[in-house]
Amino acid sequence: DAGVIQSPRHEVTEMGQEVTLRCKPISGHNSLFWYRQTMMRGLELLIYFNNNVPIDDSGMPEDRFSAKMPNASFSTLKIQPSEPRDSAVYFCASSLKGVNGYTFGSGTRLTVV
Amino acid sequence: AQSVTQLGSHVSVSEGALVLLRCNYSSSVPPYLFWYVQYPNQGLQLLLKYTSAATLVKGINGFEAEFKKSETSFHLTKPSAHMSDAAEYFCAVSGRTGGGADGLTFGKGTHLIIQP
Repeated sequence: DAGVIQSPRHEVTEMGQEVTLRCKPISGHNSLFWYRQTMMRGLELLIYFNNNVPIDDSGMPEDRFSAKMPNASFSTLKIQPSEPRDSAVYFCASSLKGVNGYTFGSGTRLTVV
Repeated sequence: AQSVTQLGSHVSVSEGALVLLRCNYSSSVPPYLFWYVQYPNQGLQLLLKYTSAATLVKGINGFEAEFKKSETSFHLTKPSAHMSDAAEYFCAVSGRTGGGADGLTFGKGTHLIIQP
């Protein structure tokens, strides 16, 4: 299995631009999670889906952030408009019911200038 | 609601010495508990997990952890540190659900430094 695949690995964008991060979970996993990692705040859960349905989006910082999971093999996290304080590493993770652990992607390092 | 407290943002040990990284959790439901390791500029790799089987859990790279319900702890240990163990370590907790997984709540992390 190729694991959780995230793209792009690095993204540099100007303030005000739209940014879309992509994630392909492990085939067969029914839960998908988006995390953000910063030095100041550590690892924060932004949103997660079970069976493609958003379960908890209370971690999404503002309305500028949105996430979708149109099918079991793809999810996007969109920031519009982006701001410098959104600069962070964004991780996607997937799991099968949690009991077998959560597999993380390599992350997308976002820099907003 | 769940939370994780990792005592010590930095831990320094000599190569060959015992590694002990502390983790205490709070959970309103029986928890799943995890330790992850992160090397610089990389993602998170699962070291080990507790999911209600044996309370002493063995993981990769010689690490193990013991679930102690009475102390709400899940400390990570390794008998003999190696230079390659230098990394950031995260303890995490999730609740148990009947269907899909619950979100992981992470501690702040402990930076493990290995002295030659």
